[in-house]
This record gives sequence, structure tokens and C-alpha cells, in this order.
Amino acid sequence: DVKVTQSSRYLVKRTGEKVFLECVQDMDHENMFWYRQDPGLGLRLIYFSYDVKMKEKGDIPEGYSVSREKKERFSLILESASTNQTSMYLCASSSGGTGGYNSPLHFGNGTRLTVT
Amino acid sequence: AQTVTQSQPEMSVQEAETVTLSCTYDTSESDYYLFWYKQPPSRQMILVIRQEAYKQQNATENRFSVNFQKAAKSFSLKISDSQLGDAAMYFCAYRSNFGNEKLTFGTGTRLTIIP
Repeated sequence: DVKVTQSSRYLVKRTGEKVFLECVQDMDHENMFWYRQDPGLGLRLIYFSYDVKMKEKGDIPEGYSVSREKKERFSLILESASTNQTSMYLCASSSGGTGGYNSPLHFGNGTRLTVT
Repeated sequence: AQTVTQSQPEMSVQEAETVTLSCTYDTSESDYYLFWYKQPPSRQMILVIRQEAYKQQNATENRFSVNFQKAAKSFSLKISDSQLGDAAMYFCAYRSNFGNEKLTFGTGTRLTIIP
């Protein structure tokens, strides 16, 4: 089974802090994603990466950056955390290649971040 | 841009009964994929069922089936013989067959199972 591991289940940070959310997958997947989940808004894509050192903005990239130095690891960075970034963050990966039907997303368990 | 709409924020069903969750989407593309994901209280998103747009036949996975109406851009999920373990948030998602592999999600439907 594919395993996507997010380093923290719960995180509390102060406004202005630099925050790192880490995600590791163990199936040699090419694609990795960061989503944000908020009640009534569903999941919204922040950033994704389809290869090492490659990244593309999703729908809500403002206030975030990412890093993918190794294939298995995809980090989400909040340069200066703000209270409106309090949310659930979900990491996902997929195998890429022909993609689509045969490469559904596999998700981590989420990190619930609170910024005070 | 594609959008996915789930118009039922909450649904409930008696155990052993059947429930249908609605999903509509908007796209100008003809080739795409649709998915239903389940998120139980554990927060782990689990793929429930998937459908390729060019396939006429509705997908089925055990007690889960879809009613895919391409012309109407509708992709509803039917859960038969509902069980307590089906209680979760259910998200409908769209993926284009062109370009990158990102999924666009709906806002979710919270399903409660009544014993």
C-alpha cells in the first residue's frame, strides 16, 4: 500500500513564524500535491510538483511556497504565518505517467495547523 | 476553469437503507475522470470509486455505484445497504485528461448513518 506520511498531526504556531509542513511518500510517485481543507470550501490546491525541483502554483498559492529537493519529500512553507492560514493541510501523491484513472491521489492523514 | 458542485452539505440515512449523494461539474472538455473520495473522522482520504468520462457504463464497487450523466454533467454516488462505517465526508472530484494531474474538489457532503 502507498503510504503518505505528514510529519505532524497537530501544529500550533504564532503569527509571523516560519512554518514547515513535511510530507513523505514511499511509492516513488512523481506527482505530489498540497491541499488546504476548510469547512464549506472543500479542498483547494495550493501547490503541486510533478518532478524533483519542479513546482506549479495551484489555486491559492499566496502566502505559501514549496520545496521538493528529493522525489519522496514535498515541503510546504508558510514564510510568515497568519491567522487566516489556520486550516487542515493535506498532502497527496500520484504515480503520474499515463496518469488519470490509473493514478488516483493517495493522501496523508492531514496536519491541522492553528496560527494564534 | 473546471468547477465541482456538491449541493448537499449534509445527508443522513438509516442503516441498511440506500442514499444518493449529488455532484455536478462544469467543463468544456470531453475527456476527463471523476472520483468520489471518503474522509472518515480519522481524516484519511480514501478513494471510493472512479469513472472515465468516455466510458458509458457506470462504475460499481461493491455497495457503491455511480450514476454518470455526461450530457447533464452529473456524477452522483449511490450507497446501498448503508453501514455505520460509511459515516464520513464525501468529496466529488474532477480531473482533466490533459495537462497536469491535479484534482478539483467539491465542497463535500457530510453523511450521517442513523442506527
